[in-house]
Amino acid sequence: ETGVTQTPRHLVMGMTNKKSLKCEQHLGHNAMYWYKQSAKKPLELMFVYNFKEQTENNSVPSRFSPECPNSSHLFLHLHTLQPEDSALYLCASSAEGDGYEQYFGPGTRLTVT
Amino acid sequence: GENVEQHPSTLSVQEGDSAVIKCTYSDSASNYFPWYKQELGKRPQLIIDIRSNVGEKKDQRIAVTLNKTAKHFSLHITETQPEDSAVYFCAAFKGTGNQFYFGTGTSLTVIP
Repeated sequence: ETGVTQTPRHLVMGMTNKKSLKCEQHLGHNAMYWYKQSAKKPLELMFVYNFKEQTENNSVPSRFSPECPNSSHLFLHLHTLQPEDSALYLCASSAEGDGYEQYFGPGTRLTVT
Repeated sequence: GENVEQHPSTLSVQEGDSAVIKCTYSDSASNYFPWYKQELGKRPQLIIDIRSNVGEKKDQRIAVTLNKTAKHFSLHITETQPEDSAVYFCAAFKGTGNQFYFGTGTSLTVIP
């Protein structure tokens, strides 16, 4: 157990549904991240939060909406997704600063039908 | 932004042989270079990292080398074992924005 948990682990949703992914870290970290992992592609950084403030949004479509209510919790709200959004969504956390190890959660396997 | 390229995409070695995976990066401001191992169905986990003020780092059978001038870094695994079979990702980090840029991954298979 790395101290980063994600729920749900698997999610199947239709294109008109609204769902949320949850990430929680118990490591006292100040930075949290959302990544998308698709087959045969690099990990794609979606969002970065430092001390609850969003610092990066890598041109992610607005159908993905992050929320970071505190430095231990991170959400990814999903609505009107497309089939190509099916992927493994990984949350990670790290100590804020000049390059620290990222601790990944187990991921949520999302399938959009 | 940063661009990280990783080669090869797949690698098969006999047990006991060495494996080398190479990455290049584009932004000279990147200063931290971790390597992650992801076993099938599991989360990525850090196996070794190196900072820009160091040229080489070793941890038992795993070593990483960094050439800042050429902007490339490599992972070396010696005396490979079947449990080394996994996907390995390199990454480059620069402090601005806390951004990690990952390579496309190398699927390593160690043949017993």
